[in-house]
Order: sequence, then C-alpha cells, then structure tokens
Amino acid sequence: GENVEQHPSTLSVQEGDSAVIKCTYSDSASNYFPWYKQELGKGPQLIIDIRSNVGEKKDQRIAVTLNKTAKHFSLHITETQPEDSAVYFCAARAGGSQGNLIFGKGTKLSVKP
Amino acid sequence: KAGVTQTPRYLIKTRGQQVTLSCSPISGHRSVSWYQQTPGQGLQFLFEYFSETQRNKGNFPGRFSGRQFSNSRSEMNVSTLELGDSALYLCASSLTAGTDTQYFGPGTRLTVL
Repeated sequence: GENVEQHPSTLSVQEGDSAVIKCTYSDSASNYFPWYKQELGKGPQLIIDIRSNVGEKKDQRIAVTLNKTAKHFSLHITETQPEDSAVYFCAARAGGSQGNLIFGKGTKLSVKP
Repeated sequence: KAGVTQTPRYLIKTRGQQVTLSCSPISGHRSVSWYQQTPGQGLQFLFEYFSETQRNKGNFPGRFSGRQFSNSRSEMNVSTLELGDSALYLCASSLTAGTDTQYFGPGTRLTVL
C-alpha cells in the first residue's frame, strides 16, 4: 500500500526566513497531494493541494512542488511569520482517485520572532 | 457556510466501555471519512461513508464501526474500549466519494482510563 515519508520532523526558523518541508510517496498511482496545517487543539486545516498533472502551485506565501518521477513533493513557505508556527502534514491519496488519504508523520514548525 | 462539527469535543471512558462519536459534515457534502490521530501513529484512516454506505475501510479491528444517516451525518462507535484507543478522532467531509478535497472538523478527544 501507499506509504508517505515526511522530513524533517521538527523545523525552527527565524521570522522572515523560508521553510521547506519534503515528502516522498511510494504509490505511483497516487494523483492528489494535499498539505494540512494543524494548530494546537484544532483539526487539520487544508492550506494547499496539488494534483499529479501540475508541477507547481502557489498561493501567496505558500507553494507546493511535485516531482512525479522521483515521487516526492515539497511545501515552501516564504517570509515566515510567528502565526505560521504549527504542525504541518503532507498526504497522498492512495490507489488513484478512489483511495483514502495517507498522511506523513508531520513537521512541527517553530517560527521565532 | 458552517464547517464540520463533531460532538462531543472531549470524552473520558473506562476500559471495556463503548463510545459513540458524532460528525456533521459541511452542508451539501455527502462523504464523511474518519481518522484516528495519536502521537505515535499519526493520522490513520478508519473508514469512509458515502450515501449511507461504507465504501472504504482502514486497518482497524472490528471494534471500530460507523454508519451514515440519510442527512449525511455520521457516527462512529468503538466497543470494548482499550487504553490504546485514547486518541483524537477526526472527521473529514468532502463533496462526493472520491472527491479529493477533505475538510476536517475539530475532533473528539477520547481518553480511556
């Protein structure tokens, strides 16, 4: 079945710096890759997603890139702010369009003022 | 538009008891998925319901079950609770089955003593 590896598990940056989180997946049939942000005491919030027919997607300070050949995708956050501090999860949809989401273990991002 | 709601938000049970958790999806959404989140295992898929039918199931014992009603609201039940069932149980709704975008609720924090 699908397996998603996420790195690093913790990431600390200074306010204004960029942060990059990387994920790899195993199922070449996966075609949908969302990223979620989870703050303490809350459920995961979708922040950006990408489909397998697109190589890159941007939304203001957030961007996601996908390399289908290497089976990895990355989240890029530019000009980080303290409110970006949270746990970020990547996911891949298993088994093509009918499968459930398989999540990475998460990255705890700390942005220091 | 209201988001995904889950009740109760917190629950304390003892070993051997059973518990029922409830999820109301976003208005108009007909698919509901359930996930278990623990520090050790991360986010793990339990099952997905669409049109009152379970269409996908994760690797959990039969003590975990669910159902969906005609108004798309869903419940999950855990029987004969074990200490290891302590977790945050998250519900996610999407427009239809196989639709990629899932929106999560705040979760139900279950503690088994």
